[in-house]
Amino acid sequence: ETGVTQTPRHLVMGMTNKKSLKCEQHLGHNAMYWYKQSAKKPLELMFVYSLEERVENNSVPSRFSPECPNSSHLFLHLHTLQPEDSALYLCASSQDSRGRSSAKNIQYFGAGTRLSVL
Amino acid sequence: DAKTTQPPSMDCAEGRAANLPCNHSTISGNEYVYWYRQIHSQGPQYIIHGLKNNETNEMASLIITEDRKSSTLILPHATLRDTAVYYCIVRIYNQGGKLIFGQGTELSVKP
Repeated sequence: ETGVTQTPRHLVMGMTNKKSLKCEQHLGHNAMYWYKQSAKKPLELMFVYSLEERVENNSVPSRFSPECPNSSHLFLHLHTLQPEDSALYLCASSQDSRGRSSAKNIQYFGAGTRLSVL
Repeated sequence: DAKTTQPPSMDCAEGRAANLPCNHSTISGNEYVYWYRQIHSQGPQYIIHGLKNNETNEMASLIITEDRKSSTLILPHATLRDTAVYYCIVRIYNQGGKLIFGQGTELSVKP
């Protein structure tokens, strides 16, 4: 148990569906992240939120829409996805994303949501 | 660009030490070395990090060469549960959230 919980663990959706992934952290952290891990590929950073403000968006298509209503919760809203978007989506949190302490930048990951787009 | 080079795979006998190398020859003076691992179908797990001194915690030891161009993660007594992909990452300590994951080393611990 890492203190970062992701739901659902598995999701199957059609290309016309709208769904949301949820992430909740119980660590008192101020920064949260979304990563994508496609089969046989390294993790790719998608979004970074620091104190509920989006500080990084790595050229992610608009069919992925993040939301961070407070420092403990992070959502990824999905709509009109493509089959190539099928992947493991991972959420992480850290005490700080820009702090001067190396320990505060350590990221703790959830177990991920395995998404399949049909 | 991951900035690190790791062997794609390694085997280790259960109970023996697992020594995982990482080359980071272009590391800058303010870049830390972080190690994470990912057990199949789970999220990555933080293991250890360091700047220039050797570090040890309850999970592993990190040995960084004097010129800082390479490091070795040591799991002193590997168990079957240590079978995972191990990632070596270099990052500036105050760089905004970026963990650049490479392909990592797939460690197989065998009985």
